[in-house]
Amino acid sequence: DTGVSQDPRHKITKRGQNVTFRCDPISEHNRLYWYRQTLGQGPEFLTYFQNEAQLEKSRLLSDRFSAERPKGSFSTLEIQRTEQGDSAMYLCASSTAGGEYEKLFFGSGTQLSVL
Amino acid sequence: KQEVTQIPAALSVPEGENLVLNCSFTDSAIYNLQWFRQDPGKGLTSLLLIQSSQREQTSGRLNASLDKSSGRSTLYIAASQPGDSATYLCAVMDSNYQLIWGAGTKLIIKP
Repeated sequence: DTGVSQDPRHKITKRGQNVTFRCDPISEHNRLYWYRQTLGQGPEFLTYFQNEAQLEKSRLLSDRFSAERPKGSFSTLEIQRTEQGDSAMYLCASSTAGGEYEKLFFGSGTQLSVL
Repeated sequence: KQEVTQIPAALSVPEGENLVLNCSFTDSAIYNLQWFRQDPGKGLTSLLLIQSSQREQTSGRLNASLDKSSGRSTLYIAASQPGDSATYLCAVMDSNYQLIWGAGTKLIIKP
């Protein structure tokens, strides 16, 4: 069990550029979540996958954000035309099953700074 | 709409003290309540998960209680150590199986 891995750890970009983050979940986990966290706040749900199917997206997620999970393995989160308000920590989490017994395992996150 | 509040936002105590962190939520219709730890610039680590039918869970020096009817949970840390310094977040799983998060309590244990 190597844990949830996220890449890159840090990303600095200029406003208007596109960025892509990668998440490798724990190998046997079929559920994968993306969250966004700003300083001093709890994580904010963005989207989640059950295997390769994207089952839910937050209403707060603009159309500049897109996520994929081809073949139900790793996932990517892309932000197009970045804005300064996108600066945050982007967290990925995975789990084996949903419902009331679900336990999430988090990666170390990707810290995005938009200049 | 479920809201989760953690007070205080920050806490500093000397090493060795026992301490209590608080979490409150507005809607008692929850499946579970979870406590997480987050170190600076890092992801979150699950500490304890209390099912809605349970009153408490223990792991080592940590004990979490749940009073669903009053919308409150506490995380008790016994004999605090400098290594316990981190931000502690609580989250409730609502009736839609979504985790709703508090903003966390930043804990500093002074040697």
